[in-house]
Amino acid sequence: GDSVTQMEGPVTLSEEAFLTINCTYTATGYPSLFWYVQYPGEGLQLLLKATKADDKGSNKGFEATYRKETTSFHLEKGSVQVSDSAVYFCALSDAGNMLTFGGGTRLMVKP
Amino acid sequence: EAQVTQNPRYLITVTGKKLTVTCSQNMNHEYMSWYRQDPGLGLRQIYYSMNVEVTDKGDVPEGYKVSRKEKRNFPLILESPSPNQTSLYFCASSALQGLRVEAFFGQGTRLTVV
Repeated sequence: GDSVTQMEGPVTLSEEAFLTINCTYTATGYPSLFWYVQYPGEGLQLLLKATKADDKGSNKGFEATYRKETTSFHLEKGSVQVSDSAVYFCALSDAGNMLTFGGGTRLMVKP
Repeated sequence: EAQVTQNPRYLITVTGKKLTVTCSQNMNHEYMSWYRQDPGLGLRQIYYSMNVEVTDKGDVPEGYKVSRKEKRNFPLILESPSPNQTSLYFCASSALQGLRVEAFFGQGTRLTVV
């Protein structure tokens, strides 16, 4: 079946540092890929998505590129802020609307 | 405002006492689903529904029931809760548009079963 693997956290960075959160996937078809973010005490919100190979999703300074050859969708941001502290989930949608999530990566940004 | 509303946000109950967590969406979405979130395990799907009166099991359905009598509502029912169902639960909805859709999530229900 489908699966998503992302790096375990927590990831602790200083403000303005570069962020990478790794995500790799296994899927039988041609999935769409997503990053969701969960701020403390809230539900998940879509951060960005990519629906086909080589697509780049971007939002709020975050980027991720759909790499079919390496089955990866790594999340990057050039300069993190304290307000980016949250849990980030990589996910894929293959058959229909069913989402398969990774385990989540907690990001802590210190001033 | 487009939203998914879950109630209650927090619930402490005792083993075996039936409970229902409600979920309602105002976006006329066909697809709704329930997830539980546990540390290190991410979100795992419990049940989903493709439309009214159409429901199916997700990855971890044991101990749960759902119903979809109206398009906007998708309650999660625990007939006889047990401590291993202590978790954070999320309801989500999306339009049924293939692979390009965005799922909208509720704010979560933190359930403790003692």
